[in-house]
Amino acid sequence: DVKVTQSSRYLVKRTGEKVFLECVQDMDHENMFWYRQDPGLGLRLIYFSYDVKMKEKGDIPEGYSVSREKKERFSLILESASTNQTSMYLCASSSRESEQFFGPGTRLTVL
Amino acid sequence: AQSVTQLGSHVSVSEGALVLLRCNYSSSVPPYLFWYVQYPNQGLQLLLKYTSAATLVKGINGFEAEFKKSETSFHLTKPSAHMSDAAEYFCAVSENFNKFYFGSGTKLNVKP
Repeated sequence: DVKVTQSSRYLVKRTGEKVFLECVQDMDHENMFWYRQDPGLGLRLIYFSYDVKMKEKGDIPEGYSVSREKKERFSLILESASTNQTSMYLCASSSRESEQFFGPGTRLTVL
Repeated sequence: AQSVTQLGSHVSVSEGALVLLRCNYSSSVPPYLFWYVQYPNQGLQLLLKYTSAATLVKGINGFEAEFKKSETSFHLTKPSAHMSDAAEYFCAVSENFNKFYFGSGTKLNVKP
């Protein structure tokens, strides 16, 4: 069974903390994505990566960075967490000719 | 530029009634189209996809969708709603599998 896993389901952090969200896929997919999901706004793309060490900005990259050192792992970093980054974060992966497969999500609360 | 519009952020149907969730897209090239379902506090799960084969696509759980190029639509239907269909549904479009654009979602409520 193919899988995308995320390091935490729920996370509570304080304003100003550095936050790492980890995503791992076991499907040997080239593409990996980070989205945030907020009520009424659907999914908004933060960053995506189409190969190891490659990354591209999505629609809302401000306040975030990413790292992809290995094909199976894609990390999202909040350099200095703020309350407006409280959200559900979804990781996804895809091959170059497939739909996306999603992880279970991380619900992040920044106090 | 690609975009997706889902008409109706909330849809309510009775158990056994027809489910119709609307999706319109814009794309400059023939698109790939997807419907995903999300249950509370879970990730998204693929229901079905259109990748330029048959225009009527059948998915899991009895759902199907029809690609209508002239109307730029990809509406999701199910003949008879079940309580377990209550969830949020997202339509998505992609031109090349590198970037995917999602609608804002439709929450389906099924009344007993």
